[in-house]
Amino acid sequence: TQLLEQSPQFLSIQEGENLTVYCNSSSVFSSLQWYRQEPGEGPVLLVTVVTGGEVKKLKRLTFQFGDARKDSSLHITAAQPGDTGLYLCAVKRNYGQNFVFGPGTRLSVLP
Amino acid sequence: DADVTQTPRNRITKTGKRIMLECSQTKGHDRMYWYRQDPGLGLRLIYYSFDVKDINKGEISDGYSVSRQAQAKFSLSLESAIPNQTALYFCATSDLQLAGGGEQFFGPGTRLTVL
Repeated sequence: TQLLEQSPQFLSIQEGENLTVYCNSSSVFSSLQWYRQEPGEGPVLLVTVVTGGEVKKLKRLTFQFGDARKDSSLHITAAQPGDTGLYLCAVKRNYGQNFVFGPGTRLSVLP
Repeated sequence: DADVTQTPRNRITKTGKRIMLECSQTKGHDRMYWYRQDPGLGLRLIYYSFDVKDINKGEISDGYSVSRQAQAKFSLSLESAIPNQTALYFCATSDLQLAGGGEQFFGPGTRLTVL
């Protein structure tokens, strides 16, 4: 059983559409991160959320941390082909110093 | 120039061969990590090191070993490669864990195929 679950696993949409992807767990976390990985590259950090209910915006991307700090969502408005990639959520194990990653959502935005 | 570099970028080898993957960083970070990535499984931690004298096993360390030669260098070895070690391998670094979880910086990855 994975600590983090992400849904959907795959998503293919047309340019201009909106979408939301999710990261869920039954555990509580002090913080949660979202990374984007483009083909042939390593993941790059998009955002870190630390407070239950927190909402952060990064241009067309809106990140929300659940009130109970067990889940998070990433909403993209007016998706563009440049948003194509693998979106990974990650958390630190309780009292640990290591990151645990979810399996990712692979997004494809078609022009 | 990239802050985290990995060599080689691609490698094809045969079962039973010894393989070393190398990672170098210019970010001055103390913490370094090795992950493998498989489709549908995300990134799984193999080994990590918080300084030159510190080596720790991750969740999938069997069949792997590491060496932290210097603050900037962290290598991963497969003593006797097997086909199920075929994967994409990433090295990452991070600084002292600040409030909010810190950030990991990843290299470009090494695609390893074991025949």
